[in-house]
Amino acid sequence: GAGVSQSPRYKVAKRGQDVALRCDPISGHVSLFWYQQALGQGPEFLTYFQNEAQLDKSGLPSDRFFAERPEGSVSTLKIQRTQQEDSAVYLCASSLASGVAYNEQFFGPGTRLTVL
Amino acid sequence: AQRVTQPEKLLSVFKGAPVELKCNYSYSGSPELFWYVQYSRQRLQLLLRHISRESIKGFTADLNKGETSFHLKKPFAQEEDSAMYYCALSGATSGTYKYIFGTGTRLKVLA
Repeated sequence: GAGVSQSPRYKVAKRGQDVALRCDPISGHVSLFWYQQALGQGPEFLTYFQNEAQLDKSGLPSDRFFAERPEGSVSTLKIQRTQQEDSAVYLCASSLASGVAYNEQFFGPGTRLTVL
Repeated sequence: AQRVTQPEKLLSVFKGAPVELKCNYSYSGSPELFWYVQYSRQRLQLLLRHISRESIKGFTADLNKGETSFHLKKPFAQEEDSAMYYCALSGATSGTYKYIFGTGTRLKVLA
């Protein structure tokens, strides 16, 4: 594909609802990252996959957040029982390789989640 | 603690004036530094990274390890440079090479 895609682009949820956010990385990219960007802030790391293995989930803010990448390509970020503080833009990024600091990460357009 | 600081939320300059967007970092080890840019209604994209030592769209950034800074500079600002700029670092923390971002600086280039 042309780049990283994310769906939906916008999601409005009522407090307490579950949501699922999808990320399609660039084909062949080994590494996949999820970031959360609150209004007026920079993106903050949530979790990292190397192929299908979730190697780092240290940034997930609570056990209501869950991510998977079962076949090493598409990834889903799920938020259970959404709260107002979950309102943010969720960014997905992929990179070709793993294990090097200078790798460029390619970002998707993000999903803007609003919890009412 | 690992941290990236961008002290200016907004920077306004006139077209043709020099511009410098400040970035300071705190990291134990040898990080790689990046500048990402987000133009209006577009996604985050890489502008430049320290390791490449290149000039993109007239922008340069020098890593100063003594001052732990990676300021972004351009001698003559253009209106099309108006955008949100994020400084980021990456390193071997936990083996993930995740990015740590600053809070961003909005650059407005005035005609």
